[in-house]
Amino acid sequence: DAKTTQPPSMDCAEGRAANLPCNHSTISGNEYVYWYRQIHSQGPQYIIHGLKNNETNEMASLIITEDRKSSTLILPHATLRDTAVYYCIVRVAQGAQKLVFGQGTRLTINP
Amino acid sequence: SAVISQKPSRDICQRGTSLTIQCQVDSQVTMMFWYRQQPGQSLTLIATANQGSEATYESGFVIDKFPISRPNLTFSTLTVSNMSPEDSSIYLCSADYNLGGVQETQYFGPGTRLLVL
Repeated sequence: DAKTTQPPSMDCAEGRAANLPCNHSTISGNEYVYWYRQIHSQGPQYIIHGLKNNETNEMASLIITEDRKSSTLILPHATLRDTAVYYCIVRVAQGAQKLVFGQGTRLTINP
Repeated sequence: SAVISQKPSRDICQRGTSLTIQCQVDSQVTMMFWYRQQPGQSLTLIATANQGSEATYESGFVIDKFPISRPNLTFSTLTVSNMSPEDSSIYLCSADYNLGGVQETQYFGPGTRLLVL
């Protein structure tokens, strides 16, 4: 079973920041938080991951709470092409391991 | 990032037949994974393919139905055998890459869309 909880859907206006929450209250100390998105049934696309510090890359920012029980993915300036299903996944990063996908959040960017 | 390709990208098949899906990665990887995504659903892992050994199947998936080959460190195949309409899904392969840090990141192929009539 997935170890994360996400809202099933969210809407955001184009050009605004999209903030996607994720609860992972049972996360272990050696588990990372990974975010993927899936655009219209394409293969999932890796976005970002983090352990306990906030992370930023060219796609998004990841904010992890101090107790690591929740996190927020931030798309700073959402575009229509960011419409997708976003998956928050926790996993041990070292060593190849399967990913357990929940239902994710269907983010719709509105013009 | 990683480059993973799949063939075919889509297919329409008759029930009772079999289809073999190929997955090619651009770097040597230890493990490859095969997932299924049924219409309107999330991804479910079918099996993990380790080079040089038999694949490890998840509960609900069996080797006779989904035989997997892993002949080398950059290639794997998944066969969907004796297909029925319930096998209509997107089949995705993935692989863990270590891009220079201590963390491994899993990348996915574009998927194979299968419709069984």
